[in-house]
Amino acid sequence: DQQVKQNSPSLSVQEGRISILNCDYTNSMFDYFLWYKKYPAEGPTFLISISSIKDKNEDGRFTVFLNKSAKHLSLHIVPSQPGDSAVYFCAATEGSGTYKYIFGTGTRLKVLA
Amino acid sequence: GAGVSQSPSNKVTEKGKDVELRCDPISGHTALYWYRQSLGQGLEFLIYFQGNSAPDKSGLPSDRFSAERTGGSVSTLTIQRTQQEDSAVYLCASSLAPGPANYGYTFGSGTRLTVV
Repeated sequence: DQQVKQNSPSLSVQEGRISILNCDYTNSMFDYFLWYKKYPAEGPTFLISISSIKDKNEDGRFTVFLNKSAKHLSLHIVPSQPGDSAVYFCAATEGSGTYKYIFGTGTRLKVLA
Repeated sequence: GAGVSQSPSNKVTEKGKDVELRCDPISGHTALYWYRQSLGQGLEFLIYFQGNSAPDKSGLPSDRFSAERTGGSVSTLTIQRTQQEDSAVYLCASSLAPGPANYGYTFGSGTRLTVV
């Protein structure tokens, strides 16, 4: 049972445009959500997070939106750059001191120059 | 060290053999985690260490899998009698503490295990 789902395995976007990566979850107890970025042959690196008390968190070109009623979050990258080409994973957990994240299967983003 | 180091980066083994995967976390990080990613799957939690103790081993798929951590530092994940379904990328991560949740972990680059 996949509690965190990324239904789009891949996405291609033109450089300078907006990239929108989506993630859905089923467990209403999740209250922290994170996005990781992974380049080939490297480990995932933490990108941005959001807690359930917020509906938006912004960090430079990256913004994460959370819609709790729809159990949906999205990552917006504006403007997209070729260096953003990577696999993006969303992850969820419950509790502020927890350690166990549930990850989605990832979306491969390709930003075309 | 500067980052989380895993070795080997690639391992090909014959079905039925035992393998050991090593993780060297960031110095000072007391919490250490093992995850794996099988083809087409998300990252799957395996085990969590706090210091040398493993309070949560709930993700280990079978009793063929075991892990230990010594000196509050290096960890070894051992898979006995490997099966083809064990083929995956095994990722180790570490953090200063098991929370706050929204700070995330630092992952190593993983060990790609292929069982033939």
